[in-house]
Amino acid sequence: AQTVTQSQPEMSVQEAETVTLSCTYDTSESDYYLFWYKQPPSRQMILVIRQEAYKQQNATENRFSVNFQKAAKSFSLKISDSQLGDAAMYFCAYRDRSGGGADGLTFGKGTHLIIQP
Amino acid sequence: GAGVSQSPSNKVTEKGKDVELRCDPISGHTALYWYRQRLGQGLEFLIYFQGNSAPDKSGLPSDRFSAERTGESVSTLTIQRTQQEDSAVYLCASSLGTARYGYTFGSGTRLTVV
Repeated sequence: AQTVTQSQPEMSVQEAETVTLSCTYDTSESDYYLFWYKQPPSRQMILVIRQEAYKQQNATENRFSVNFQKAAKSFSLKISDSQLGDAAMYFCAYRDRSGGGADGLTFGKGTHLIIQP
Repeated sequence: GAGVSQSPSNKVTEKGKDVELRCDPISGHTALYWYRQRLGQGLEFLIYFQGNSAPDKSGLPSDRFSAERTGESVSTLTIQRTQQEDSAVYLCASSLGTARYGYTFGSGTRLTVV
């Protein structure tokens, strides 16, 4: 079974600074998808960025980018120019490309990101 | 609809009572998922629907939990004889059914069993 590990329960960063959230995963599959979700106090999970494992190029969405290291099974999220609205829980998630088995996302336990004004 | 809608937003129930949680997915989304999120925890997969069939029920924690879906529309998650450990946020998500895209989540139902 796949597992996703987020080793930082909480991170704090000054507004306008850069922060990196860590994620590692374990899988025997070679083709899969990785995601970062943001969950603000409203509870709704918002997709921040996704990465397809067969693509070597790291995904980027505006201020958000990932460092995908397939051999190391690492998928970190970098937030540049942090803003107060970035404060939330961030979850790393994994899904097989084939969609077999549970066909659901496997989530890490999350990292609580605090933005200091 | 424009997004995934869940109702009720909050539910307080007495231990031993049955509860029914509702999810309206995005129109056209064939896949629907239920997750449970306990306080301070990540999301725990419960069940997945493709259309109105549920090929994977492995995540349901006990036989007190069941779920149904009507066509490619509304789904209900039923918890019978609720226990205090059932207290959590129950999140529903839908997708177009292909693995490459993430899901669109609703805002969840916060269930409190007293």
